[in-house]
Amino acid sequence: SQQGEEDPQALSIQEGENATMNCSYKTSINNLQWYRQNSGRGLVHLILIRSNEREKHSGRLRVTLDTSKKSSSLLITASRAADTASYFCATVSGSARQLTFGSGTQLTVLP
Amino acid sequence: GAVVSQHPSWVICKSGTSVKIECRSLDFQATTMFWYRQFPKQSLMLMATSNEGSKATYEQGVEKDKFLINHASLTLSTLTVTSAHPEDSSFYICSARDRGWPGELFFGEGSRLTVL
Repeated sequence: SQQGEEDPQALSIQEGENATMNCSYKTSINNLQWYRQNSGRGLVHLILIRSNEREKHSGRLRVTLDTSKKSSSLLITASRAADTASYFCATVSGSARQLTFGSGTQLTVLP
Repeated sequence: GAVVSQHPSWVICKSGTSVKIECRSLDFQATTMFWYRQFPKQSLMLMATSNEGSKATYEQGVEKDKFLINHASLTLSTLTVTSAHPEDSSFYICSARDRGWPGELFFGEGSRLTVL
């Protein structure tokens, strides 16, 4: 079952702009991860944030986590056309050892 | 990072035939592999968790007799879609975890099944 909802479902921006995607989840988590999927391809792990962390950076990516609101955001700064893809958040909860994925955001970066 | 290979990347078959999809961890041993299904423009839905040397654990609503999973070695898991029908057409993705928890999860490139 899907744990999270993401918004927006689709986002279209110009190259150079920042893109922000949000993820909300329902149960308490151990960690939350963000993945990227190019059309028709597998998933690539972007970043993991643990439940006791509030913010994490990796290159042009910035992830925040608010466990009180059960939400996370992914910010991609200075976007590039190559960032065009679907982005999914995924959570790991309790003793579960599998990922539960959100609904995804389709990002289009226009050159 | 580690590599997970899926084969075939795409397959077209006639209704009623069975199709086998392989998921291999190429440079690490995977005690646990996961099989997901993804419909167009939708998220990944976990189908089953495959543990080496034991029976797979299926998610609610997934028919174990329809989707046969075999994890015979630490580097290979297979998903067989038996007596495939057009509604089984989908994108199937596997992922594998390195030994131990919480090892990083690596994804295959997916296999697109089209049943005519």
